[in-house]
Amino acid sequence: AQSVAQPEDQVNVAEGNPLTVKCTYSVSGNPYLFWYVQYPNRGLQFLLKYITGDNLVKGSYGFEAEFNKSQTSFHLKKPSALVSDSALYFCAVRDSGSARQLTFGSGTQLTVLP
Amino acid sequence: KAGVTQTPRYLIKTRGQQVTLSCSPISGHRSVSWYQQTPGQGLQFLFEYFSETQRNKGNFPGRFSGRQFSNSRSEMNVSTLELGDSALYLCASSERTGNNEQFFGPGTRLTVL
Repeated sequence: AQSVAQPEDQVNVAEGNPLTVKCTYSVSGNPYLFWYVQYPNRGLQFLLKYITGDNLVKGSYGFEAEFNKSQTSFHLKKPSALVSDSALYFCAVRDSGSARQLTFGSGTQLTVLP
Repeated sequence: KAGVTQTPRYLIKTRGQQVTLSCSPISGHRSVSWYQQTPGQGLQFLFEYFSETQRNKGNFPGRFSGRQFSNSRSEMNVSTLELGDSALYLCASSERTGNNEQFFGPGTRLTVL
């Protein structure tokens, strides 16, 4: 089985401060990991993915994520938050060794305060 | 390339009716997935199709069905609508399954009265 946990429903951060949105996963084999962002009344937008290789993955809009195999985590980070980063963020995982569908976490609402 | 398109964008139905939603994937994408998004349940997987074959199915009742055509366009159908079916239905496409990222459409907002 595969699963994703986003332990924080809500994250608040001041503009200009670094932000972290947490994600942990569980798969039987090696994971394919993804981050998506959703703005109000919109579909999800792809931010970045980890397939293999460097543990630090860089994505769109200055976001990056760090893959940590021992902690089974894939936290999303940004050095300096913008008010426009306020949105709903989803982490997703697929087991590389199975034909199962992509599994999404419950989402984390990020609010960047001016 | 044009993005994923979904029609209609908004739909209002009454209980007991049926509805068909349509999704046109990005050109060249052969995999299409459908999700239901609600405030209470979050993002829930419905189906995944690849080359006209259903590869995966989520835990939804048989009232929810789907199909994919030879041009990769996909439809999902919900019969005997219930109030709880009110949701944003999202379609996503990718070149293949596996490690490919999915590209989402804007969704169809279904309201059941």
